[in-house]
Amino acid sequence: QVQLQESGPGLVKPSETLSLTCGVSGYSITTGYDWGWIRQPPGKGLEWIGSIHHSGVAYYNSSLKSRLTLSVDTSKNQFSLKLSSVTAADTAVYYCARVGHSGYGVIDSWGQGTLVTVSS
Amino acid sequence: EIVMTQSPATLSVSPGERATLSCRASQSVSSNLAWYQQKPGQAPSLLMSGASTRATGIPARFSGTGSGTEFTLTISSLQSEDFALYYCQQYSSWPSYTFGQGTKLEIK
Repeated sequence: QVQLQESGPGLVKPSETLSLTCGVSGYSITTGYDWGWIRQPPGKGLEWIGSIHHSGVAYYNSSLKSRLTLSVDTSKNQFSLKLSSVTAADTAVYYCARVGHSGYGVIDSWGQGTLVTVSS
Repeated sequence: EIVMTQSPATLSVSPGERATLSCRASQSVSSNLAWYQQKPGQAPSLLMSGASTRATGIPARFSGTGSGTEFTLTISSLQSEDFALYYCQQYSSWPSYTFGQGTKLEIK
């Protein structure tokens, strides 16, 4: 049974970089899936952020692409997100997830989510 | 970007009755449509993929239909645990997946 767990600061200052890591247990990230991030502003709907394959090939939401970097560490079975130049609009619960590979974008496992607040 | 529109925003239904939730895509997504359920304080969970294939462990009272631009999620006889938020997601436009804004299913 795959389990995903987000970790990282819950408070980030405006203009700084938001950094999160997703630890994966019960499943090797080198086996057959992509690994993604989704966010949900308080009281709002879901927004796809992007996903990454264990090879390091990443796919980004075009609206975030200029500020976003996804990376993967297969030795630690984890993957990470960095979002630069954050504003209050980036305040959200951030979920990491397991995503079908190569365009089969069904999200079959989710982390519990972590709230990141952008505020000075 | 493919825009997903869900209706209604809120649906009030009595336990035991049928609920019908709609999702419309701004352009065809074929059958590349998933449904998720989200309960308060929890992450979403997968209900359906391929527009009509239930995920593992999802009861048969949940059914999905549609293709192209019009999709429906039907819950045939509402149980107390079914009152939640529901989101549709298209995965036709890779890698720019998009979600609907959600339908809140509440107890009438």
